[in-house]
Amino acid sequence: EIVLAQSPGTLSLSPGDTATLSCRASQSVSISYLVWFQQKPGQAPRLLIHAASVRATGIPERFSGSGSGTDFTLTISRLEPEDFAVYYCQYNGRPPWTFGQGTKVEIK
Amino acid sequence: QVQLQESGPGLVKPSETLSLTCTVSGYSITSDYYWGWIRQSPGKGLEWIGSISHSGTTSYSPSFKSRVTIFLDPSKNQFSLNLSSVTATDTAVYYCARGRGGTPYWGQGAQVTVSS
Repeated sequence: EIVLAQSPGTLSLSPGDTATLSCRASQSVSISYLVWFQQKPGQAPRLLIHAASVRATGIPERFSGSGSGTDFTLTISRLEPEDFAVYYCQYNGRPPWTFGQGTKVEIK
Repeated sequence: QVQLQESGPGLVKPSETLSLTCTVSGYSITSDYYWGWIRQSPGKGLEWIGSISHSGTTSYSPSFKSRVTIFLDPSKNQFSLNLSSVTATDTAVYYCARGRGGTPYWGQGAQVTVSS
């Protein structure tokens, strides 16, 4: 099983700042199967990035994904008020699918 | 456009079986990919329950293995989840999803409460 560790647990930032979120895998992961989601309270997860760096339809350019092997990063440039949420990474290749524990981006 | 939609009872009694169906539109579930179920308990993170391949091969989380069954219904382009012997700890929002390549798609989620 691929274990995903996200850091930090909480990120306190101001609008306009850049957020850098990390997702570290316990073993090498094909970039095809590394996904990032955003979740706000009471809502379903929203797909941001798949295949480690491909923005989903309708996702603003300020969201970018990078990485390979065991280290992946989600960067949110120029934080907007609506970007404050919880972010999860996921491995969705050959099962078992796994999730990181989430990073909360909160307003400082 | 691929869409997934969960359906099923919102209230299940303890010790009974939770049954949910995911209806897929815009793509045939027997063509490719894996199709899975994920849940989120109140205030918690995302938890994978199990998945089934387009050809019917199943994989289940050890946390649920003795209680879970996932199966395809190609005639209706649906896949389903049965979770037996439920307790209050199975109260959660249940999501169906597509994975293993291509664009991941998720349903909007179905709230299931276990209570007498």
